[in-house]
Amino acid sequence: QVQLVESGGGVVQPGRSLRLSCAASGFTFSNFGMHWFRQAPGKGLEWVAVISYDGRNKYYADSVKGRFTISRDNSKNTQDLQMNSLRVEDTAVYFCAKELHGYSYGLDWGQGTLVTVSS
Amino acid sequence: EIVLTQSPATLSLSPGERATLSCRASQSISSYLAWYQQKPGQAPRLLIYDASNRATGIPARFSGSGSGTDFTLTISSLEPEDFAVYYCQQRNSWPITFGQGTRLEIK
Repeated sequence: QVQLVESGGGVVQPGRSLRLSCAASGFTFSNFGMHWFRQAPGKGLEWVAVISYDGRNKYYADSVKGRFTISRDNSKNTQDLQMNSLRVEDTAVYFCAKELHGYSYGLDWGQGTLVTVSS
Repeated sequence: EIVLTQSPATLSLSPGERATLSCRASQSISSYLAWYQQKPGQAPRLLIYDASNRATGIPARFSGSGSGTDFTLTISSLEPEDFAVYYCQQRNSWPITFGQGTRLEIK
């Protein structure tokens, strides 16, 4: 079955960088667009970024544009989120999600990894 | 950016009752709307996509309707496991946006 496992979360100071990874299994990774979503403590869901199945197309939320970069390696079945210039408001659980094929909805989700930005 | 407004913020009902949740878009999004269920400490689960299509494995008591700017998620007869937070999400245009959520609680 589909499995998505995020890693790389932790505590980081404002202005610093962090790189999240998502390891995928149980499906043909190179056929699907992949997303990152996040959820601040006690708050609602927020979409962060998406990358197309072949890595050619990427879109970002305005709140992270210019600071975060999404990437993927179809040979390793992984996707990453490089987060630079982190802010306190980036504190959240970050979820990796596989799209519903052909639709920009999150069908399968990882368990999430917590990123805490604090001095 | 398309703003999605969900109502009510909290809905208090009893098992067996019918639940009706609303999501209104700030501009037309055709039928490009999904509904998710999220329980505490868990990732969201996709229930409905493109307004009215149930995702694989979703019970028939969940149904979605609407187009344009007004959408509804209906749970025909609430089961104990249905009490959770529900979010709508649009994919009509970037950036993808979510509603603020409706908390469905046991009365």
